[in-house]
Amino acid sequence: DQQVKQNSPSLSVQEGRISILNCDYTNSMFDYFLWYKKYPAEGPTFLISISSIKDKNEDGRFTVFLNKSAKHLSLHIVPSQPGDSAVYFCAASVSYNQGGKLIFGQGTELSVKP
Amino acid sequence: DAGVTQSPTHLIKTRGQQVTLRCSPKSGHDTVSWYQQALGQGPQFIFQYYEEEERQRGNFPDRFSGHQFPNYSSELNVNALLLGDSALYLCASSLLVGTDTQYFGPGTRLTVL
Repeated sequence: DQQVKQNSPSLSVQEGRISILNCDYTNSMFDYFLWYKKYPAEGPTFLISISSIKDKNEDGRFTVFLNKSAKHLSLHIVPSQPGDSAVYFCAASVSYNQGGKLIFGQGTELSVKP
Repeated sequence: DAGVTQSPTHLIKTRGQQVTLRCSPKSGHDTVSWYQQALGQGPQFIFQYYEEEERQRGNFPDRFSGHQFPNYSSELNVNALLLGDSALYLCASSLLVGTDTQYFGPGTRLTVL
């Protein structure tokens, strides 16, 4: 039972344009969501998070949007840079502020072309 | 400020053997979680340790066990290795209270032959 799904295995974007990565979830108890970036041979690097009491969180070029009614979140990267090329994972937790386990999606490989 | 460290980087074992992986959390963190990442998949939660006790456990058999030491470092042990245990094993550290953001180490690549 895949509770967190990233339906696009890959995405290719031109440098300078917007990258939009999507994530859907099924468990309505999830109350905290995170995005991680992963390069080959490295561990996931935390990018940005959002709690269920918000619908948007911004950090520099990265913005995460949460639509609770649709059980959908997205990560926007503007402008995209070649260094953003990596695998992006969304993750969800059911216990905000209580150190809950993270449930991950399968990942989306982003390729930013110069 | 040192981040999460893991050792060894790579490991090759044969079926039936036992393996121990090690993790040192980020400075100031008190909670360690372990994840298994198979090729082409997202990380899957194995278990989490806090105050030297297993606090949560994912859907993994008892062959997977762990330990947390007083200095918050942790070990993951896997007994009776199977070919399907070949994966990247990730350690993540966090603070139990105040945030759910977990910070990951570089992982240990385990190959079972």
